[in-house]
Amino acid sequence: KQEVTQIPAALSVPEGENLVLNCSFTDSAIYNLQWFRQDPGKGLTSLLLIQSSQREQTSGRLNASLDKSSGRSTLYIAASQPGDSATYLCAVGGSNYKLTFGKGTLLTVNP
Amino acid sequence: GAVVSQHPSWVICKSGTSVKIECRSLDFQATTMFWYRQFPKQSLMLMATSNEGSKATYEQGVEKDKFLINHASLTLSTLTVTSAHPEDSSFYICSAEPGTGAYNEQFFGPGTRLTVL
Repeated sequence: KQEVTQIPAALSVPEGENLVLNCSFTDSAIYNLQWFRQDPGKGLTSLLLIQSSQREQTSGRLNASLDKSSGRSTLYIAASQPGDSATYLCAVGGSNYKLTFGKGTLLTVNP
Repeated sequence: GAVVSQHPSWVICKSGTSVKIECRSLDFQATTMFWYRQFPKQSLMLMATSNEGSKATYEQGVEKDKFLINHASLTLSTLTVTSAHPEDSSFYICSAEPGTGAYNEQFFGPGTRLTVL
C-alpha cells in the first residue's frame, strides 16, 4: 500500500525566502506526482504535475522535482510571498488513476 | 478549461437524514470520477471511484450502502450520504478524470462541507 509522507508538517518563513517542501513515497511504481495548494476550507488548486518519466516541472516561482527511484519529490518556492500561505499537498498517482495524498505542509509566509 | 463544480458548497442537516452532493465536470466529459473525504487537519482519503454507467468501486472501510454513488452521465456524479450521523461531518471533495491522453490528471471540485447535527 502506497504511503506518502510530507515533511515538515508546518513551516513559517519571512517573506522573500526561498523554501523547499519535501514529499516521500514508499512505492516507486507511480504514474505521476502532483503538488496541490489548499486554502483553509477550500478545495484543491493543482500547482504542478510531473509524469513518471519526467524529473521536474516549473511554473513561475515554483519548481517540483521527482526522483522515482528514491521515492522523493521536492517543491521549491522562490521568493516566497504572504499570498503563498496555504497547505501544500503532495499526491502520488498509481494504478487505476488513484491518487494517494500526504497530510500536507502548512506554510505561513510572514510579511 | 477542466472545471469541476460541486453543489452544494455546504450543507447542515439533522442526524438520520440523507444528503445528496453533486459533482459536475463543466467543460469536459469525465469517464471516471472520484470521491474523497477530508477530516480536519487530515489529508484527503479516497472513498470511491465511479465510472459512468457502472457500479462504483469503494475503498476498504467505506460502507457502500451508506455512501451511495451514482455516475449517471459523463458529466455528473452524485454522492448520497444516507442516514447521516455527526461522525459523517466532513469535507467531501470530488475529482474528475477526462480519460484522454496518456496522463491521468484529475481535476478537483471546490468541496462540500457537511455538518450533521
